[in-house]
Amino acid sequence: QVHLQESGPGLVKPSGTLSLTCTVSGASISSDNWWTWVRQSPGKGLEWIGEIFHSGRTNYNASLKSRVSMSVDKSESQFSLRLTSVTAADTAIYFCARVSVPGGELPPPIDYWGQGALVTVSS
Amino acid sequence: SYILTQPPSVSVAPGKTARITCGGNNIGSKSVHWYQQKPGQAPVLVIYYDNDRPSGIPERFSGSKSGNTATLTISRVEAGDEADYYCQVCDTSNDHWVFGGGTKLTVL
Repeated sequence: QVHLQESGPGLVKPSGTLSLTCTVSGASISSDNWWTWVRQSPGKGLEWIGEIFHSGRTNYNASLKSRVSMSVDKSESQFSLRLTSVTAADTAIYFCARVSVPGGELPPPIDYWGQGALVTVSS
Repeated sequence: SYILTQPPSVSVAPGKTARITCGGNNIGSKSVHWYQQKPGQAPVLVIYYDNDRPSGIPERFSGSKSGNTATLTISRVEAGDEADYYCQVCDTSNDHWVFGGGTKLTVL
């Protein structure tokens, strides 16, 4: 069974950097899946942050692109998120997830999600 | 950027049919995925590629598209279906994923 687990500080100071890691088990991070981050502000909807392939190729939400970076550590079966210059608006539950392998040309769905990690931006 | 519009809430009596819409420009040309999210939990895929169901999802869940609207239909609604539902598409102009704002389904 595929399992994803987020880890990282639950509290980040304003103007600081948010760093989260997602550990993947039950699947190879070097497979043909993209690995993605989605966040959800308290009481709000889902916001796609970006995604990364095991080669290191990335695709970021344009609204966050200047502050976001993602990386992959294949030896640890992990992928990570960094978000710089955070403000209270970045307070959210951050989910890591796996995008399923496309069966054709159509963009595939997210098939596995982590449980989510609450990150609060506050001094 | 591409926008998906969902009604904030839908209410339905048990045993009835719930229809949750997702509007977007030219959505007919895009592949729509639907997720169910219960409080305190991660989203769960319930419909993918417009109208396919993952294993383990009841046949009561179905998807369709017409014009600029995609619809998630839940037949014979049960109390356990009460949740937030999100549609998702890929904006192929920039390969960005987009979620609708979400619809809270209340079972009366």
